[in-house]
Amino acid sequence: AQSVTQLGSHVSVSEGALVLLRCNYSSSVPPYLFWYVQYPNQGLQLLLKYTSAATLVKGINGFEAEFKKSETSFHLTKPSAHMRDAAEYFCAVSDPGYSTLTFGKGTMLLVSP
Amino acid sequence: DTEVTQTPKHLVMGMTNKKSLKCEQHMGHRAMYWYKQKAKKPPELMFVYSYEKLSINESVPSRFSPECPNSSLLNLHLHALQPEDSALYLCASSQVLLTSGSSYEQYFGPGTRLTVT
Repeated sequence: AQSVTQLGSHVSVSEGALVLLRCNYSSSVPPYLFWYVQYPNQGLQLLLKYTSAATLVKGINGFEAEFKKSETSFHLTKPSAHMRDAAEYFCAVSDPGYSTLTFGKGTMLLVSP
Repeated sequence: DTEVTQTPKHLVMGMTNKKSLKCEQHMGHRAMYWYKQKAKKPPELMFVYSYEKLSINESVPSRFSPECPNSSLLNLHLHALQPEDSALYLCASSQVLLTSGSSYEQYFGPGTRLTVT
């Protein structure tokens, strides 16, 4: 069964600093990978998705993620953090041919002035 | 339009009440999902509907009863809930997979914050 591991339940950065949120997957087949963001008291919003078309995926709000098969990773990055980026971020995986998602435990991004 | 709407936004109910949560999407998606999310946890899948038929039930207690009356609407009927059922209930929708070599993203609604007293 597929799974994802998000390293670090909390990540703190200063405004303007690089954001790096880590996600490693475990899947017996090439997976489909997603990053979602959840702001307080809201639903989940899709940031970006990997579907094997390109290893570097650009998403909304300046975020991007790189699929590295050799490292089984799909880390999320943003060059310069904004205060509005403070939220919970979930990595999720779906095996090809399945519509269900398996979520990581989430990483809370804290941004300080 | 990539919007999924959910009503009500907040719901407080007693353990003997019967209430319903509603979800609506107009993206033409034929797969719809219910998730339960506890504080500081990821969403947990409860039910999946595909072409208005229940395709996945993740061993959810019978006090939760889903219904998909048409391709745009999804309901979750609640009866005799317990305080531990208090959570954020999220609805999502996606396209239905037609081949084994694809996967579609899910679009989530804002959720219903349920408190059982």
